[in-house]
Amino acid sequence: DIVMTQSPDSLAVSLGERATINCKSSQTLLYSSNIENSLAWYQQKPGQPPKLLIYWTSTRESGVPDRFSGSGSGTDFTLTISSLQPEDVAVYYCHQYYNTPHTFGQGTKLEIK
Amino acid sequence: QVQLVQSGAEVKPPGSSVKVSCKASGGTFSTHGINWVRQAPGQGLECMGGIIPMFGTVNYGQGFYGRVSFTADKGTNTAYMELRSLRSDDTAVYYCARGRFFDLYHYYYMDVWGTGTSVTVTS
Repeated sequence: DIVMTQSPDSLAVSLGERATINCKSSQTLLYSSNIENSLAWYQQKPGQPPKLLIYWTSTRESGVPDRFSGSGSGTDFTLTISSLQPEDVAVYYCHQYYNTPHTFGQGTKLEIK
Repeated sequence: QVQLVQSGAEVKPPGSSVKVSCKASGGTFSTHGINWVRQAPGQGLECMGGIIPMFGTVNYGQGFYGRVSFTADKGTNTAYMELRSLRSDDTAVYYCARGRFFDLYHYYYMDVWGTGTSVTVTS
C-alpha cells in the first residue's frame, strides 16, 4: 500500500496569515496517461464527515474558496491557505487515489495562534 | 445532488459481527466505486477498502483482508460493509464515500461522503 506522510502534525497560524501543509507519498502519484497526480485534500471539522477541497493536486472542488490552493508533483505535495479565516480551523488530510486501496495521511490539525 | 445515507449506530460485543449499509439517495452507483473509511475516536482516517458495484470488484486495506466483506445491491443502490470478529479497537465511526471509477479496480477521489455510522464494541 502507498504510505502518505503529512507534516506538521499540528499547526497554529494567526488570522490572515498563510498556512502550509505538506504531504509526501511513498511512491509517485503521477499518471502517465493524463499527466496528472492522483492526490486530493480533505477538510474535517468535529462531528462531520470529511469534505473534499482539492483533487488532481490543484483543482478546487466547486464552492471551495480560492484562498485554498494545492501544488506539487510526483511524491511531494502542498496545501496552502493564503489568508487563514476562523472557519478554516479543522483537520486536513491528504489522500492518494493512484492505486487501491486508497490511503490517507495521518492528518494535520490547524488552529488559530 | 446525491446523498449517501448510512444505517444507524450499533453496539456490539467482542467477537461478533456488524453490517453497515450505505444507500445512495438521489442517484445511483452505476458510475462509482464505494470506499469504506473508518475513524477511531480522536484518530485519523483509515481506508478499509471498497467495491465497484457495477463490476463487483473489491479491494482491501492493510490489515482488513479476511475480516471484512464489501457487497452491493445495484437494484437498491445500497452498499454494505460487514466486519467480523469485532475487537474493542474496532470502535469507530465508519463512513462510506463514492469515487467515479475508471477501470475494473480503480476509482478517483471521494466527492460525496456518507453521514457516518458509529460502531461501539464493548462487553
